[in-house]
Amino acid sequence: AQSVTQPDIHITVSEGASLELRCNYSYGATPYLFWYVQSPGQGLQLLLKYFSGDTLVQGIKGFEAEFKRSQSSFNLRKPSVHWSDAAEYFCAVMNYGGATNKLIFGTGTLLAVQP
Amino acid sequence: GAVVSQHPSRVICKSGTSVKIECRSLDFQATTMFWYRQFPKQSLMLMATSNEGSKATYEQGVEKDKFLINHASLTLSTLTVTSAHPEDSSFYICSARDRHLGNTIYFGEGSWLTVV
Repeated sequence: AQSVTQPDIHITVSEGASLELRCNYSYGATPYLFWYVQSPGQGLQLLLKYFSGDTLVQGIKGFEAEFKRSQSSFNLRKPSVHWSDAAEYFCAVMNYGGATNKLIFGTGTLLAVQP
Repeated sequence: GAVVSQHPSRVICKSGTSVKIECRSLDFQATTMFWYRQFPKQSLMLMATSNEGSKATYEQGVEKDKFLINHASLTLSTLTVTSAHPEDSSFYICSARDRHLGNTIYFGEGSWLTVV
């Protein structure tokens, strides 16, 4: 069965510092991978997605993620964090082409940004 | 990016009543929509997958008679919580899959349901 693991429940970084949020997935074939961000009490906004091709994916708000098949990872990075990046981040995998085409979410990583 | 709208964003209802939440794709056609439930400080739990013109597919443990889902058009899906109880209070989020960008799923802003 597919699964997504986000090992870090809560991360705190200083404004201007670099950020890496970890995501590991379990899936038999090449997965479709996503990162979403959720501000408190809000819906989810798509940051970026990986379907195929270049393993380094650029997203909105200066985020990028790298798909590493050998490590079953899809970590999210940002070189310089802004205070407005404080939010909850969810990694997700989808089995497009399967019976349900549904997203499986990780448990999320809550990012706090210190001034 | 594509826009998915949910309405209402917040609703309070009395125990025993029913409440309907709408999910609309505003600028694309969505053959598939998904309904999630999210408890405070937790991840999203998929409740059901809604396909236009057919019955929804419910996840294990989700009561289909309690959470009625209708997907009557390519731009609208509704979730009706019937005979609501306080334990149904939660944040409900819908998402929609763009049929022309088949692999991309967009989320609504969510609906807070409080049952008193």
